[in-house]
Amino acid sequence: AQSVAQPEDQVNVAEGNPLTVKCTYSVSGNPYLFWYVQYPNRGLQFLLKYITGDNLVKGSYGFEAEFNKSQTSFHLKKPSALVSDSALYFCAVRDPITGGFKTIFGAGTRLFVKA
Amino acid sequence: DAGVIQSPRHEVTEMGQEVTLRCKPISGHDYLFWYRQTMMRGLELLIYFNNNVPIDDSGMPEDRFSAKMPNASFSTLKIQPSEPRDSAVYFCASSLSRGRGDTQYFGPGTRLTVL
Repeated sequence: AQSVAQPEDQVNVAEGNPLTVKCTYSVSGNPYLFWYVQYPNRGLQFLLKYITGDNLVKGSYGFEAEFNKSQTSFHLKKPSALVSDSALYFCAVRDPITGGFKTIFGAGTRLFVKA
Repeated sequence: DAGVIQSPRHEVTEMGQEVTLRCKPISGHDYLFWYRQTMMRGLELLIYFNNNVPIDDSGMPEDRFSAKMPNASFSTLKIQPSEPRDSAVYFCASSLSRGRGDTQYFGPGTRLTVL
């Protein structure tokens, strides 16, 4: 069965510093991996995804994520955080072999960027 | 495009009443998903449709919940009778199938409060 874990409930970072939001996954085959962001009172917005190819994926708003198959991780990163990046971030995984279009979301990590 | 549209945005009802949530997916999208978000359980997939046909309803909590998609531009999620533990934010999302790595576009959600 597919699963995804976000080990940190909250990440605090100062504006201008690099940020990392961690994600690990478990699927039976090659995963499809996603990051979404949720701002208060809004639906989730797509940031980036890894399907195949280059392990480093670049997405919206300067975010990027690196797929690491040996560590089954897909951490979200940004070189320089902005206060406006403060939001709830979700990692998600889909098992294309057994899961169809069913996407499993992590519990979410709340990012606070302090000015 | 207007994006995924959900109505109502807020619903307050009393225990035992019937609740109907509505969703209009992005035009041309062939997948539609219903999710529930709570603090305790995070984001849960309830059911998803492909070309108006329910594919996986294993996430529907119990028989009190039902979902329909009578045509490509409209879906409903009904709770009858409603209970206080159904209080949550319900999201609808849609996607266009291109292989299996497709982005889901979320609506703004319906915040349901059952008293």
